[in-house]
Amino acid sequence: EAGVTQFPSHSVIEKGQTVTLRCDPISGHDNLYWYRRVMGKEIKFLLHFVKESKQDESGMPNNRFLAERTGGTYSTLKVQPAELEDSGVYFCASSRLTGGSYEQYFGPGTRLTVT
Amino acid sequence: RKEVEQDPGPFNVPEGATVAFNCTYSNSASQSFFWYRQDCRKEPKLLMSVYSSGNEDGRFTAQLNRASQYISLLIRDSKLSDSATYLCVVNIKYGNKLVFGAGTILRVKS
Repeated sequence: EAGVTQFPSHSVIEKGQTVTLRCDPISGHDNLYWYRRVMGKEIKFLLHFVKESKQDESGMPNNRFLAERTGGTYSTLKVQPAELEDSGVYFCASSRLTGGSYEQYFGPGTRLTVT
Repeated sequence: RKEVEQDPGPFNVPEGATVAFNCTYSNSASQSFFWYRQDCRKEPKLLMSVYSSGNEDGRFTAQLNRASQYISLLIRDSKLSDSATYLCVVNIKYGNKLVFGAGTILRVKS
């Protein structure tokens, strides 16, 4: 079974530019989550999709961040315009919707550097 | 106060040693608990879920004390390959967001 995949693995952009991160969850996982780790801090939740619906977006830092999951498969996270404090590693995770302990499996992350 | 607190370490231990990590969480309504392992510049990988009755997976034993809101991880016969950051993770409600501790660094030396 293929794991969670994320693209790109690295992105370096200038302040004010736009970046779009992509996540492909494990096949059959209806729950999809975005998390972020900024330097020196713990991993923090951003938002949670159940299929194509946003279940919880309480962790989104501000309206410069837009997440979508059209069709309930892959998800994108767009940052526009990027600021210096957006630098960090963005992780995507997925889990089954029912019938288990809802263990979340993480992708390799996208390392975003805003200069 | 952080929602999940861990001793950051580092714990420096020789090969073959037994080492224990502890973690406390603040939300008494938390429903599920996990230990994840994270290698340098890699993603967190699920090590084990933690059950109220305690559970063991090979050299790893996890314990949960709901009354004290305390989780532990015991590693026996440490290997060099166990060197990593161990993340204590709590799920307030099944299927919802995970809340991470800052992690405990383990270094196993020969």
